[in-house]
Amino acid sequence: AQSVTQLGSHVSVSEGALVLLRCNYSSSVPPYLFWYVQYPNQGLQLLLKYTSAATLVKGINGFEAEFKKSETSFHLTKPSAHMSDAAEYFCAVSEPNFGNEKLTFGTGTRLTIIP
Amino acid sequence: KAGVTQTPRYLIKTRGQQVTLSCSPISGHRSVSWYQQTPGQGLQFLFEYFSETQRNKGNFPGRFSGRQFSNSRSEMNVSTLELGDSALYLCASSGGTHTEAFFGQGTRLTVV
Repeated sequence: AQSVTQLGSHVSVSEGALVLLRCNYSSSVPPYLFWYVQYPNQGLQLLLKYTSAATLVKGINGFEAEFKKSETSFHLTKPSAHMSDAAEYFCAVSEPNFGNEKLTFGTGTRLTIIP
Repeated sequence: KAGVTQTPRYLIKTRGQQVTLSCSPISGHRSVSWYQQTPGQGLQFLFEYFSETQRNKGNFPGRFSGRQFSNSRSEMNVSTLELGDSALYLCASSGGTHTEAFFGQGTRLTVV
């Protein structure tokens, strides 16, 4: 069975500082990995995804993530935080089997930006 | 092009009642998935439909059911509502295997 662990349910960073949100996965097969962002009272928006191509994945809004198989990690980073980055972030995993679109989500990390 | 549309956005129901939620996927998308989001349990997969067939199912009781129509629109139904069913229900559509899942804004269900 696949699972995702997000370390830190709340993270606060100063505006302009580095953002680092941690995600570790467990999967019996090389997985597909995703980061989603959710703003209050909204659905989820995809930031980026890893699908076994390049291990460093660039996404929208200046975010990127690196797939490290040896550490079973897929941490999300952004060099310089902006006030608009305040939101909840979810890491998700799916198994690359045809006909399986199920996403398994982590518990989320709420990011607060300090002015 | 239009995104995923969920209706209604907000719903208040009484324990024991049933409810039907609707999801219109992005045009051309044949896969529709449903998720329940609660503060305690987080985001949990309910089921996925593809070309009118349920392809995957999560660990929810039989009170939770769904269907998909020939135009890919999907509905989910919850019967005999319980207080614990209060949640944000999210629908996602995708156009192919492991392509991006696009989420709707959700339906906020409150059971009183």
